[in-house]
Amino acid sequence: KQEVTQIPAALSVPEGENLVLNCSFTDSAIYNLQWFRQDPGKGLTSLLLIQSSQREQTSGRLNASLDKSSGRSTLYIAASQPGDSATYLCAVRRGETSGSRLTFGEGTQLTVNP
Amino acid sequence: EPEVTQTPSHQVTQMGQEVILRCVPISNHLYFYWYRQILGQKVEFLVSFYNNEISEKSEIFDDQFSVERPDGSNFTLKIRSTKLEDSAMYFCASSEVGLSQHFGDGTRLSIL
Repeated sequence: KQEVTQIPAALSVPEGENLVLNCSFTDSAIYNLQWFRQDPGKGLTSLLLIQSSQREQTSGRLNASLDKSSGRSTLYIAASQPGDSATYLCAVRRGETSGSRLTFGEGTQLTVNP
Repeated sequence: EPEVTQTPSHQVTQMGQEVILRCVPISNHLYFYWYRQILGQKVEFLVSFYNNEISEKSEIFDDQFSVERPDGSNFTLKIRSTKLEDSAMYFCASSEVGLSQHFGDGTRLSIL
């Protein structure tokens, strides 16, 4: 059974700092990995999708890397801003079938202080 | 940008009652999903749906749950006889083939 773990559970940083969020998964036979942002009481906003054949994806100040063989992904946020404050979730898709489930980690709650 | 919409945003129901949660997926998406998040816990997969049938379901998705695509736009989750432990945020998602799953803002279900 796939297990996804995110470290740290919470992180508080001053504005402008670069930071790294970590995600690990127990079964390396994944199809892809997705990073989401969740604001309090809101839904999940997809940030980045990395296919299993890829090593990294970038979108603006965000960069996600994937090391499938070691079961790890990182989300790098450059020059953090107070608006980045949210919970960041990592999720892996196990199968090639497009309808297959995402398995989520518990998230990292990020606070960026002005 | 197209989005997944869910209604209602909050549903309060007495234990034992039936509840239907509604979703309008993104129009060109073919795969539909329901997930739930109990307060303070991980987001959990319930079911996926493609071509008018369930393609995968979790152990949570027992006989109390059912899904339906009653017309060309809506996707519903029915809980037949609600229990206290069904209280959670329920998220609908949709996707194209092999691409990102896009989530709605959720329905907060409170069972009294």
